[in-house]
Amino acid sequence: EAQVTQNPRYLITVTGKKLTVTCSQNMNHEYMSWYRQDPGLGLRQIYYSMNVEVTDKGDVPEGYKVSRKEKRNFPLILESPSPNQTSLYFCASSLQAGVGNTIYFGEGSWLTVV
Amino acid sequence: AQKITQTQPGMFVQEKEAVTLDCTYDTSDPSYGLFWYKQPSSGEMIFLIYQGSYDQQNATEGRYSLNFQKARKSANLVISASQLGDSAMYFCAMMNSGYSTLTFGKGTMLLVSP
Repeated sequence: EAQVTQNPRYLITVTGKKLTVTCSQNMNHEYMSWYRQDPGLGLRQIYYSMNVEVTDKGDVPEGYKVSRKEKRNFPLILESPSPNQTSLYFCASSLQAGVGNTIYFGEGSWLTVV
Repeated sequence: AQKITQTQPGMFVQEKEAVTLDCTYDTSDPSYGLFWYKQPSSGEMIFLIYQGSYDQQNATEGRYSLNFQKARKSANLVISASQLGDSAMYFCAMMNSGYSTLTFGKGTMLLVSP
């Protein structure tokens, strides 16, 4: 089954404790990205990757890192999480970037930082 | 700049009836893509339907159809024969050529009653 898989789905962590949210897709997609969803602010893009080894900042990259060493994986790293990073996070992918490509989302990762 | 407007915060519909969720967009780019996503209370973001700006026909996917009126810059989602499982938040989103991010509307909460 074609899908975007995120882990963990739910996590409560403490301020300053490094964590990684993994994202993997099995559709051979070149384009992957991360969004966060917050009440009143909607969905905002954190980082995106056009292909392996190519990443770029989205609208709200502060406090996050990403890497794209393999085509299928695009982990989101919070080096020192803070409470304002409490959010619902989505990984997304599409065959390529740009118009004409359907963007598929993972199931979301609920992150709480206390 | 691109913008998506969903003017209906909430909609109610009875089971088996059709419902239209409104979406208007603003862009000066002639090439763009419009998406609809469903987000149930469990949080995942489910792709429903896609319409490209150059597509001649309105997109359809099962019970979902997109009423695309380019001159009016509207891309309304029509759900035929509503089911209880259709109760969810629905988001309209747009991607422009040359961009790598989706711009989302604020969403419409749909409640389907028996």
